[in-house]
Amino acid sequence: GQQVQQSPASLVLQEGENAELQCNFSSTATQLQWFYQSPGGSLVSLLSNPSGTKHTGRLTSTTVTKERRSSLHISSSQTTDSGTYLCAIETGNTGKLIFGLGTTLQVQP
Amino acid sequence: EAGVTQSPRYAVLQEGQAVSFWCDPISGHDTLYWYQQPRDQGPQLLVYFRDEAVIDNSQLPSDRFSAVRPKGTNSTLKIQSAKQGDTATYLCASSLGDHAEQFFGPGTRLTVL
Repeated sequence: GQQVQQSPASLVLQEGENAELQCNFSSTATQLQWFYQSPGGSLVSLLSNPSGTKHTGRLTSTTVTKERRSSLHISSSQTTDSGTYLCAIETGNTGKLIFGLGTTLQVQP
Repeated sequence: EAGVTQSPRYAVLQEGQAVSFWCDPISGHDTLYWYQQPRDQGPQLLVYFRDEAVIDNSQLPSDRFSAVRPKGTNSTLKIQSAKQGDTATYLCASSLGDHAEQFFGPGTRLTVL
């Protein structure tokens, strides 16, 4: 089964609304990253957050390692936030990131 | 500071042709990764290096794919005889140390006709 599950699969918001994206994983994570990918674009690392809470700009990530879940909160969404948000974990000392299928966010004006 | 760079950005091949992708990681990063991202899927690791050594290539189709990082800096990923199923974006990433944040390049979008 999928080691990293993200929800919702897609989300449509009006500009100014907040978004809450979820990431659940089946193995202990030694690293966790949230990425943004525009259509046909490259992966941009948003936050590296294997545990606790981190903020950057309008983004807040909270990871509860024992419960194997992480969330990404986007406040006051803008149309330029539209795209796909990917959660990825590293397990053990594998070195590799295992990605979820992503949440596609569409922010309408 | 320059990010991860990759070339070419796009490639279109007929089945059976060969292609090479090139990656220049962030200066000083000891670990370099190659991922394959099929359309509408998340990236999947093909191979990664620590300096010039291959650490994990278990997901690299060894009959047609090869990857090298001879001086522990730049890397080349080569597909010998491309198949339509290889159509995907090939992403290079780099990091410094263990369990470190990975930074991705813009990718090479490959289409095999």
